[in-house]
Amino acid sequence: GESVGLHLPTLSVQEGDNSIINCAYSNSASDYFIWYKQESGKGPQFIIDIRSNMDKRQGQRVTVLLNKTVKHLSLQIAATQPGDSAVYFCAEKKNYQLIWGAGTKLIIKP
Amino acid sequence: DSGVTQTPKHLITATGQRVTLRCSPRSGDLSVYWYQQSLDQGLQFLIQYYNGEERAKGNILERFSAQQFPDLHSELNLSSLELGDSALYFCASSPGGTASSYEQYFGPGTRLTVT
Repeated sequence: GESVGLHLPTLSVQEGDNSIINCAYSNSASDYFIWYKQESGKGPQFIIDIRSNMDKRQGQRVTVLLNKTVKHLSLQIAATQPGDSAVYFCAEKKNYQLIWGAGTKLIIKP
Repeated sequence: DSGVTQTPKHLITATGQRVTLRCSPRSGDLSVYWYQQSLDQGLQFLIQYYNGEERAKGNILERFSAQQFPDLHSELNLSSLELGDSALYFCASSPGGTASSYEQYFGPGTRLTVT
């Protein structure tokens, strides 16, 4: 079936290091891939998106990479800070819906 | 603050009961989405409304229903509640249309506890 899933449920990173969160998807019929961040006790918040005809997009301290050959999406966070602690979801836009991955919990070690 | 409001913030009720969750989208947004999130789980898409009309339906149980009113606020009705319905229920909104539907703005959620 169609699904968007994450390789690692929990990722621990030293403060100041770079974080890489990975996501695999199985359905190629989408035009956007998106990353959301959900802090504890809050709703998800849009971080960055990438169109399916791109392979890289950069934002402020974040970079999203899309490898359509292996159906892999990643979110890189530079110089990880305590405020980056959250659950990160990848999602795939298909028609009117977002198909969400299971989420990766990012833990920042001091 | 996303601009999306949800009430109530917390709700505790018994099995078999019926509850209504309310959502007000961001000003100007025409689309409203409802999601269920169980403890430490991902987001389960339930249903989407666009300008008062149902646009997409996900894994929504028959015991659940929703509607979007002319003022664009939405309500999610959950009936014959079961223990397994305990979860966070999020509402999200977007300006509307397929082009914008991927950037959704989420409310703070309603935590439902069924005892």
